[in-house]
Amino acid sequence: GAGVSQSPRYKVAKRGQDVALRCDPISGHVSLFWYQQALGQGPEFLTYFQNEAQLDKSGLPSDRFFAERPEGSVSTLKIQRTQQEDSAVYLCASSPGDRPNEQFFGPGTRLTVL
Amino acid sequence: EDQVTQSPEALRLQEGESSSLNCSYTVSGLRGLFWYRQDPGKGPEFLFTLYSAGEEKEKERLKATLTKKESFLHITAPKPEDSATYLCAVQGLLTSGTYKYIFGTGTRLKVLA
Repeated sequence: GAGVSQSPRYKVAKRGQDVALRCDPISGHVSLFWYQQALGQGPEFLTYFQNEAQLDKSGLPSDRFFAERPEGSVSTLKIQRTQQEDSAVYLCASSPGDRPNEQFFGPGTRLTVL
Repeated sequence: EDQVTQSPEALRLQEGESSSLNCSYTVSGLRGLFWYRQDPGKGPEFLFTLYSAGEEKEKERLKATLTKKESFLHITAPKPEDSATYLCAVQGLLTSGTYKYIFGTGTRLKVLA
């Protein structure tokens, strides 16, 4: 079966550009998470959706970061006016429900801001 | 403050040389502790979930254990294909009723043939 997919896999942006990163979770998965992973570090939580509701966005580093999941399936992470410090791998994960359980991760989008 | 600390940061083993990776944590309202494997250029791959102290899970050459303060990932007779970064994560329950996942920085394991 299909896993979590993310697009694009690689994105190069000039400083100040806006970018949009897409996540297609596993069909039927209720929960969706976005993480930021810097080189050599573990994933850092950004935001969490349960269906279309964004229940936690406490990890978003600034108001330049915005995430949505309007129909409770596909999600988009948007970064406005990108800065060099935004360069990282952005990981999306989904899980079947709201109880404690494993997350299924996509391959990530590697964002490089020049 | 909720946090997860993994040790060692890096580990080199000879093929067949058993060892353990450590994950110590402090989190309020622990709902679960997770182990993931991450290969270069890929997303983390789920290995185990542990819910309560004393619990153990096994899969092939890997065995995960949990106490109230830490978890161990034991690797028995490792093979070169076990080389990867192993990540530990905890899930805590927030007072708002939502969940918070905190990852450690991982242990980079290299198994030499």
